Amino acid sequence: EIVLTQSPGTLSLSPGERATLSCRASQSVSSSYLAWYQQKPGQAPRLLIYGASSRATGIPDRFSGSGSGTDFTLTISRLEPEDFAVYYCQQYGSSLPFGQGTKVEIK
Amino acid sequence: EVQLVESGGGLVQPGRSLRLSCAASGFTFDDYAMHWVRQAPGKGLEWVSGISWNSGSIGYADSVKGRFTISRDNAKNSLYLQMNSLRAEDTALYYCAKDGLVGAPKFGPYYMDVWGKGTTVTVSS
Repeated sequence: EIVLTQSPGTLSLSPGERATLSCRASQSVSSSYLAWYQQKPGQAPRLLIYGASSRATGIPDRFSGSGSGTDFTLTISRLEPEDFAVYYCQQYGSSLPFGQGTKVEIK
Repeated sequence: EVQLVESGGGLVQPGRSLRLSCAASGFTFDDYAMHWVRQAPGKGLEWVSGISWNSGSIGYADSVKGRFTISRDNAKNSLYLQMNSLRAEDTALYYCAKDGLVGAPKFGPYYMDVWGKGTTVTVSS
């Protein structure tokens, strides 16, 4: 069973700063099947990135995904006020497909 | 507009059953796998179950295997989750989610590009 571990657990940053979120897999994951989601309080998750680096429809280009094998990264180039949220990575084909999440909070 | 609307949640005693439904609209339902994902209060996302477009491939999280049954009715554009032998730890907000990969042969999950607002299940005596 492949397990995804996200780090850090919490990221404290200011608007305008760059955010770098990590998702590490216990075994190699196909890049085709690594996704990132954003969830704000009281809302359903929203797909940001699929296929490790493809932005979903309507997602601003300040969000980018990269990585391969066991190490994947979500980067938010310049944090906007609406970007403070919890972010999850997700992989294909495991009964535990989600990482535990990274909270991006206002510093 | 692409939309998923869950229903059927509520307060139920431990050991009892509940059936969740998800009504889909705005897309070709039988082209996509579908999933149930839950979130316990203050916790992260937990994938519960998935079903391929033709019900030929189905999967469950270990935590619900043998107790929950996923199904779909493509003629009614609907997804279901039959939950039996409910436990306190099943208390959560249950989301219905559409898989993003058209015609995928397996349940995945590949990635989930449309989510409902969720329905709350509370298991308590």
